[in-house]
Amino acid sequence: EIVLTQSPGTLSLSPGERATLSCKASQSVSSNYLAWYQQKPGQAPRLLIFGASSRATGIPDRFSGSGSGTDFTLIISRLEPEDFAVYFCQQYGSSLTFGGGTEVEIK
Amino acid sequence: EVQLVESGGGLVQPGRSLRLSCAASGFTFDDYAMHWVRQAPGKGLEWVAGISWNSGSLGYAASVKGRFTISRDNAKSSLYLQMNSLTPEDTAFYYCTKAARMIAMAAEIDYWGQGTLVTVSP
Repeated sequence: EIVLTQSPGTLSLSPGERATLSCKASQSVSSNYLAWYQQKPGQAPRLLIFGASSRATGIPDRFSGSGSGTDFTLIISRLEPEDFAVYFCQQYGSSLTFGGGTEVEIK
Repeated sequence: EVQLVESGGGLVQPGRSLRLSCAASGFTFDDYAMHWVRQAPGKGLEWVAGISWNSGSLGYAASVKGRFTISRDNAKSSLYLQMNSLTPEDTAFYYCTKAARMIAMAAEIDYWGQGTLVTVSP
């Protein structure tokens, strides 16, 4: 099983700042099959990024994903008030596994 | 509009069984793999089980293998999860989810239901 480790656990930032979230895999993720999701309290997760770097439909371009192999990054270039949430990475190259999540909170 | 509506959650005693259902609409159900993902209150996401478009391929997390069974009825556009020998560690919201790509079982998830809460407690 591929284990995904997300860091940091919590990111305290102000609106307008840049957020950098990390997701590290215990082994290489096949074909960069890595996705990112956003989850707000009381809601189901929403797909942001798939294939490590492709934005899902309707996702603003302030969200960008990068990386390959075992190291992946989600960047939110300028935080909007609605971006404060929990973010999960997921790999689907070998079965499916999720990372533990990073909470982006208002500083 | 894609809709995934779960049902069947509730309070159940340890060792007992429960069957979750998911009614899907708004897309061609039998073109896509489907998955169950769970989330314990206040915790992260855990993939539980997945099933290919034609039920030919099934997959389970190690934590539920041998206790849970995923199935689907394409004629009814429905997904199911039979959960046996439940333990308190199975307490979670259970989400019915749709794989984003046609046919492929390993894919990102593009739609989620709102979840149904399963509570396992004496």
